[in-house]
Amino acid sequence: DTGVSQDPRHKITKRGQNVTFRCDPISEHNRLYWYRQTLGQGPEFLTYFQNEAQLEKSRLLSDRFSAERPKGSFSTLEIQRTEQGDSAMYLCASSFQSSGNTIYFGEGSWLTVV
Amino acid sequence: ELKVEQNPLFLSMQEGKNYTIYCNYSTTSDRLYWYRQDPGKSLESLFVLLSNGAVKQEGRLMASLDTKARLSTLHITAAVHDLSATYFCAVDKESQGNLIFGKGTKLSVKP
Repeated sequence: DTGVSQDPRHKITKRGQNVTFRCDPISEHNRLYWYRQTLGQGPEFLTYFQNEAQLEKSRLLSDRFSAERPKGSFSTLEIQRTEQGDSAMYLCASSFQSSGNTIYFGEGSWLTVV
Repeated sequence: ELKVEQNPLFLSMQEGKNYTIYCNYSTTSDRLYWYRQDPGKSLESLFVLLSNGAVKQEGRLMASLDTKARLSTLHITAAVHDLSATYFCAVDKESQGNLIFGKGTKLSVKP
């Protein structure tokens, strides 16, 4: 399977703990995106990378959130000092840089903060 | 601030019927995406519409884009149960892939 891969698929953590999610995009896709989705809502954009450069961050991405894509391939999204409001599905997506190319989403990483 | 509104938010249809989902957005954009999401699953790309007047069809689904009216439609023809899912439209605000999604339309097709 050469789709967007995310790990872990599910994470339960205690409030205040740090969590990290990993995303492996489709091979050769130079753009990588992180979104967050809560129940009953559409996904919300968090940030995106073109190769290793982080080009945009949403105001939703507080100081507790950090994303990296060190070699322009896989990416990590870390949430520090988790809060119950962070409970959501974190979606990674990738695309090839070109006008209007399809953006492919991974299966998502479900986070529950207790 | 770009806003994307879908209606209806909930749609219960009988098999064999036709219906249309509407997606309105508030600022200029010429890139409009439609996705399908099954419960607990990720988003499956259905259509990417890139210009005014674009129309794309796949099976029982047809999507169109009117950039002047800032409106896209997803038309369902002769619905079948397998089409039951939540459908999202999304607008590419700055042509960079940072999509703004609508709230989704939850479609239920009943026999």
